[in-house]
Amino acid sequence: DSGVTQTPKHLITATGQRVTLRCSPRSGDLSVYWYQQSLDQGLQFLIQYYNGEERAKGNILERFSAQQFPDLHSELNLSSLELGDSALYFCASTPGQRSDTQYFGPGTRLTVL
Amino acid sequence: QQQVKQSPQSLIVQKGGISIINCAYENTAFDYFPWYQQFPGKGPALLIAIRPDVSEKKEGRFTISFNKSAKQFSLHIMDSQPGDSATYFCAASSLTNTGNQFYFGTGTSLTVIP
Repeated sequence: DSGVTQTPKHLITATGQRVTLRCSPRSGDLSVYWYQQSLDQGLQFLIQYYNGEERAKGNILERFSAQQFPDLHSELNLSSLELGDSALYFCASTPGQRSDTQYFGPGTRLTVL
Repeated sequence: QQQVKQSPQSLIVQKGGISIINCAYENTAFDYFPWYQQFPGKGPALLIAIRPDVSEKKEGRFTISFNKSAKQFSLHIMDSQPGDSATYFCAASSLTNTGNQFYFGTGTSLTVIP
């Protein structure tokens, strides 16, 4: 158990809908990272937050947004969902903004029908 | 564009054999190269990592070999065991910016046959 929690574990929704994925980092960790894992593209970095501020941005679509709250939990919002957004979404946390070891949560499996 | 290229996509090894997974990168700014192990239904977990100032790092049965000039690094699993059957991801990161962006390979599915 990494200490990172993600909810929900599974999510099934329809195209065009909006969903919110939640991540709670390990106790004491200030950075949260979001990743998308699909079968054909592996793990794709989406975005990093550190202590409430955006720090690094990867291949995140404009339909996707994230934020980190004062209690350090983070939410990833996915809107106008398309079939291709079906994937596993992982969050990871680290103590600092440039720490090396990332601790991954168990993931949220999103299925868009 | 894939920043980190990983091969092979899948690997089958007999118990006790050596498993070798290779990765290559282009960005010379990368200064941290971790390997992650992922079991079905779980998130990736850090296995071993190396920085470019050393050419090899060993932890138990797991060894990273790093070739800075060739921009390649590899994971060697000695005495492979059925419990090592998992998906392995290499990654690369630059820790010099205000943030910390990781690039992952596409993964290698390792099966160790008893």
